[in-house]
Amino acid sequence: NAGVMQNPRHLVRRRGQEARLRCSPMKGHSHVYWYRQLPEEGLKFMVYLQKENIIDESGMPKERFSAEFPKEGPSILRIQQVVRGDSAAYFCASSPQGYQPQHFGDGTRLSIL
Amino acid sequence: DQQVKQNSPSLSVQEGRISILNCDYTNSMFDYFLWYKKYPAEGPTFLISISSIKDKNEDGRFTVFLNKSAKHLSLHIVPSQPGDSAVYFCAANTGTASKLTFGTGTRLQVTL
Repeated sequence: NAGVMQNPRHLVRRRGQEARLRCSPMKGHSHVYWYRQLPEEGLKFMVYLQKENIIDESGMPKERFSAEFPKEGPSILRIQQVVRGDSAAYFCASSPQGYQPQHFGDGTRLSIL
Repeated sequence: DQQVKQNSPSLSVQEGRISILNCDYTNSMFDYFLWYKKYPAEGPTFLISISSIKDKNEDGRFTVFLNKSAKHLSLHIVPSQPGDSAVYFCAANTGTASKLTFGTGTRLQVTL
């Protein structure tokens, strides 16, 4: 499967726990984007990364959220001390060298109990 | 601040007819526009795009029209097929930023 791979597909956490969402870009793509979709809304940009660099984090909440894309391995979106409002679908996309179009994974559905 | 708007939450079209999905934007800096299709429990799939230097782009059954003066674009699907039933998102970006700004989507249902 040469597409964008996200795991887990579903993640359940209790309030106060940490959530880690993983994204492996398409082969040959070195640019990764994270988006969040709340129910009945469009996708909202969170962060844009290249290998080992954060390029644009203008959509990231200032607290509890962080993202990385290490030299080896997948990109990780980390949410600390989760709250009910973090429940959403989180989508990762990748592209070659920042060009469009971006290609999306099938998302991680995060549910907070 | 909704910079990309899809004012029709849903649309129903008969199989074989034309589907027209509309999108309006407010940010005059947007210079590249994309349409994505999304099925439930899947990620968005890229359909077609258009640069602001063009007013039309066609790919098979899908055509996107851009009216810069009106800040409006539309996606035409001809002929519509039952497999086209999905949520369609309009997205835009500027040449200086790679992030996409999405509309809220239009749910298209193609009936037999």
